[in-house]
Amino acid sequence: GESVGLHLPTLSVQEGDNSIINCAYSNSASDYFIWYKQESGKGPQFIIDIRSNMDKRQGQRVTVLLNKTVKHLSLQIAATQPGDSAVYFCAVSTGNQFYFGTGTSLTVIP
Amino acid sequence: SAVISQKPSRDICQRGTSLTIQCQVDSQVTMMFWYRQQPGQSLTLIATANQGSEATYESGFVIDKFPISRPNLTFSTLTVSNMSPEDSSIYLCSGGQVAGETQYFGPGTRLLVL
Repeated sequence: GESVGLHLPTLSVQEGDNSIINCAYSNSASDYFIWYKQESGKGPQFIIDIRSNMDKRQGQRVTVLLNKTVKHLSLQIAATQPGDSAVYFCAVSTGNQFYFGTGTSLTVIP
Repeated sequence: SAVISQKPSRDICQRGTSLTIQCQVDSQVTMMFWYRQQPGQSLTLIATANQGSEATYESGFVIDKFPISRPNLTFSTLTVSNMSPEDSSIYLCSGGQVAGETQYFGPGTRLLVL
């Protein structure tokens, strides 16, 4: 199986600052990782993914870092905007099934 | 990517009744899943919807309570049977091509059981 946890249930950042959301997992065999964004009243939305053969992947204003040694995953959001306010989940795959973290609620302060 | 829709988006039901939730994908997907999400909580997998055969249920979920159909590669239904207030939750379906690979989610069905 797999156990997935986020370090902080809530995070508040000033608009324009960078945000970092962290996730820890337990199974060293986990090989695929996704970050989802869930806005209020909506389903989870795919943001970015990374495979275990990489340690960094960048998208538009987002970067995912993977540290397999300590089984840690982070999502960095550059120049955070009010529209980034949401709950962010990491999802960890062992190959057959995804395990979801409990979510970090990001609030952007104008 | 896949665009997934669900019906109804929300409902208020009386205990003892049943509700069927529909999930429609805009393209064929190999895998479809049903999740439950309690307010402020993470996602819990209910079952994998298998086309043409019985769904595969996770521990704690049974077919009599959550019957699932998947007649083709773009559509699935989840029924919440004999509902009680404890079934009040958000029910999400997701779709993907390969188990353990990228899943795309529907908007969810918000269920309140009185």
